[in-house]
Amino acid sequence: DQQVKQNSPSLSVQEGRISILNCDYTNSMFDYFLWYKKYPAEGPTFLISISSIKDKNEDGRFTVFLNKSAKHLSLHIVPSQPGDSAVYFCAASGAQGGSEKLVFGKGTKLTVNP
Amino acid sequence: EPEVTQTPSHQVTQMGQEVILRCVPISNHLYFYWYRQILGQKVEFLVSFYNNEISEKSEIFDDQFSVERPDGSNFTLKIRSTKLEDSAMYFCASSQQGYGNTIYFGEGSWLTVV
Repeated sequence: DQQVKQNSPSLSVQEGRISILNCDYTNSMFDYFLWYKKYPAEGPTFLISISSIKDKNEDGRFTVFLNKSAKHLSLHIVPSQPGDSAVYFCAASGAQGGSEKLVFGKGTKLTVNP
Repeated sequence: EPEVTQTPSHQVTQMGQEVILRCVPISNHLYFYWYRQILGQKVEFLVSFYNNEISEKSEIFDDQFSVERPDGSNFTLKIRSTKLEDSAMYFCASSQQGYGNTIYFGEGSWLTVV
């Protein structure tokens, strides 16, 4: 079941630069998307979300872009900080299809080097 | 900041034994969930619970699993007869509303079945 795909298992960036994490989805019923950050042996921590009626949502250093026609979303972190080093999960839900459950991608491990 | 709390943080159990994982969702939240993550795999949805009943469950959530809200604050996941493949990190989560609402996760309960 690959409804949500994060094709890059890892990403390494320099402190102060932009981190761009990508996510693709296949299910057109998805209409709400979230990004979570996760440290080992801890629960996912909510970062930012976007509804399908928008194409951009910004919160401080974090911006999520949604391209519905391409079924693609991305998370931009600017500027990246060493404390951002973690695994980032993209998740999607499709309540209009009757489901509120989150479907997760496999995650991308971000390393921000000082 | 309100958070979802889970106990125990780690439990080791013999195959075939019953396990109960406990969660205290965020106090004004109405929707409750269990997810799990087997080591090295995706975070997977197990079950959602609203208004004292299961609203959705996955294929993983078979007859050996059950959920209960025994009082106004706790939400439990019971695994009746554990199998080796039940070894995973189990995350409880909650949200204020259903659709389009952020789901907040607890720190997880690591279950090891031996």
